[in-house]
Amino acid sequence: DTEVTQTPKHLVMGMTNKKSLKCEQHMGHRAMYWYKQKAKKPPELMFVYSYEKLSINESVPSRFSPECPNSSLLNLHLHALQPEDSALYLCASSQLTKDRQAQYFGPGTRLTVT
Amino acid sequence: GQQLNQSPQSMFIQEGEDVSMNCTSSSIFNTWLWYKQDPGEGPVLLIALYKAGELTSNGRLTAQFGITRKDSFLNISASIPSDVGIYFCACNNQGGKLIFGQGTELSVKP
Repeated sequence: DTEVTQTPKHLVMGMTNKKSLKCEQHMGHRAMYWYKQKAKKPPELMFVYSYEKLSINESVPSRFSPECPNSSLLNLHLHALQPEDSALYLCASSQLTKDRQAQYFGPGTRLTVT
Repeated sequence: GQQLNQSPQSMFIQEGEDVSMNCTSSSIFNTWLWYKQDPGEGPVLLIALYKAGELTSNGRLTAQFGITRKDSFLNISASIPSDVGIYFCACNNQGGKLIFGQGTELSVKP
């Protein structure tokens, strides 16, 4: 099973709203990732969790707040977003074995900020 | 910084034709990955390559990890309409991050 699930599939939110994106994997992967992707561009890394600890924050604005409650779950809390934050948000997971770090992506959440 | 040069940027082909795309880099990598992304969906891993010179097939797809560890190609044989999408190459850097190519957008005419 190489499935990563994400909810919701679509989200429309106002600039004053608070919402959360959720991601789940049951492959026993100990690294989980959040990416942001604009149309027809490659994904851009936002955050990396290794063994449930935040290991990389790619200078993401504080209006995005990640959380890793356990080894299978990853959340992204959203607050006071801007219209330019509208994008496809992707979750991914991978093993942490050196040189075997192929990442498996979820289907994404299409976020629209109005 | 490290970057991957992916070509071509786009391809328009007839159904049944073979397709070839490639990625090159000035840096050495230990992993080459190929993903396909359909509109509105997440990238799907097609092939993972872990050894220089490795040639791997997955159905009509064939990919190779270049012997210099600085390049890789992906071939699709006998294309069909569902091959339409954007194909990305990607590599792991030392920090465990994925570096992506800019993508090859494939269109298939029935």
